[in-house]
Amino acid sequence: DQQVKQNSPSLSVQEGRISILNCDYTNSMFDYFLWYKKYPAEGPTFLISISSIKDKNEDGRFTVFLNKSAKHLSLHIVPSQPGDSAVYFCAASTSGTYKYIFGTGTRLKVLA
Amino acid sequence: DAGITQSPRHKVTETGTPVTLRCHQTENHRYMYWYRQDPGHGLRLIHYSYGVKDTDKGEVSDGYSVSRSKTEDFLLTLESATSSQTSVYFCAIAGTGQGVREVTEAFFGQGTRLTVV
Repeated sequence: DQQVKQNSPSLSVQEGRISILNCDYTNSMFDYFLWYKKYPAEGPTFLISISSIKDKNEDGRFTVFLNKSAKHLSLHIVPSQPGDSAVYFCAASTSGTYKYIFGTGTRLKVLA
Repeated sequence: DAGITQSPRHKVTETGTPVTLRCHQTENHRYMYWYRQDPGHGLRLIHYSYGVKDTDKGEVSDGYSVSRSKTEDFLLTLESATSSQTSVYFCAIAGTGQGVREVTEAFFGQGTRLTVV
């Protein structure tokens, strides 16, 4: 049973435009959410996180939005750059457990 | 660099043989994890540890065992490797380490590519 789902396996966006990556979760106990970026032959690297007490968190070009009632989060990248081309994973956790469950990933391609 | 080293980085082994992957950290983090990455499945948690000798199962623990006899090392063992265990394995760390700040996000190693033939 997949508790964290990324329903879009891939996404292509023009350079300079907005990239929107989506993630859904089923476990209502999750209250801490993270996004990771992964390049080929490297380990995932942490991008941005959000706690369930917030509905938005921003860090430079990256913004994560959380809709608790819909059990949905999204990552917005504005403006998108070719170097953003990578696989993006969302992850969820319950505070204090430090147990991170990841989604299946979305491959983003930013076209120059 | 979160001070995580995985070894070996690449391994080819035969079906039925035992295999041990090692994860070593230098920053004293409490939590350590083993994930596997497969196409269409993303990152799946195999086992994790919340302290020395304290471990728990993840989403896909069948066929795997782990041990953590000291803070810095977390070993993943495939007792009898099967072709379905061909994958890229990632170790990760989280939790309170050296310094004051508590790390609430997991930091990953570079991965180990394991092929079972």
